[in-house]
Amino acid sequence: QVQLQESGPGLVKPSETLSLTCTVSGGSISSYYWSWIRQPPGKGLEWIGYIYYSGSTNYNPSLKSRVTISVDTSKNQFSLKLSSVTAADTAVYYCARGNNAARPGGWFDPWGQGTLVTVSS
Amino acid sequence: EIVMMQSPATLSVSPGERATLSCRASQSVSSNLAWYQQKPGQAPRLLIYGASTRATGIPARFSGSGSGTEFTLTISSLQSEDFAVYYCQQYNNWPPYTFGQGTKLEIK
Repeated sequence: QVQLQESGPGLVKPSETLSLTCTVSGGSISSYYWSWIRQPPGKGLEWIGYIYYSGSTNYNPSLKSRVTISVDTSKNQFSLKLSSVTAADTAVYYCARGNNAARPGGWFDPWGQGTLVTVSS
Repeated sequence: EIVMMQSPATLSVSPGERATLSCRASQSVSSNLAWYQQKPGQAPRLLIYGASTRATGIPARFSGSGSGTEFTLTISSLQSEDFAVYYCQQYNNWPPYTFGQGTKLEIK
């Protein structure tokens, strides 16, 4: 079955850019919509944005000015960049697959295990 | 943005008893609602989609109901492994997809 794995630095300095990659195994990234979702410590879940294998994206309006999601189909990976980070961006970052192969919308399944990113000098 | 509100924030229930968790949307989301279970240190796990359809492998003691703005997740006869945090998520109006703040189900 499809599995997702996040990777990237666990510590980022304030004002710098957070960069994470999600590697998809057990299936092709060339279908479905692929999302990033984050969870600050002890808090709830926030959807960041999604990408389709074609490169089409959609972002949470609250983060849109700072977020870029890209895809590399040759590596079966998609990536997140979040610029100008502050302590408020400290969170566990998850990648997840949307439920529908052909259109956005829907629920998320499966999820990666998540990776904690701390913003601190 | 649709705001999802879950209640109660914490629910204390004894093993073997029934738990009823609520989720309310700030405007109608039709039946476009999912429920997730999250245990400490783990990613959320999909339980229910379409407000009432159990995901693959989810035990029958989990059931979802509701439509519009009011939704319920019911867990009949609680097992020890069911004590966790539960989130609802709407996917009717986006961006953004939005989640509730969670209900922590704890052992009484």
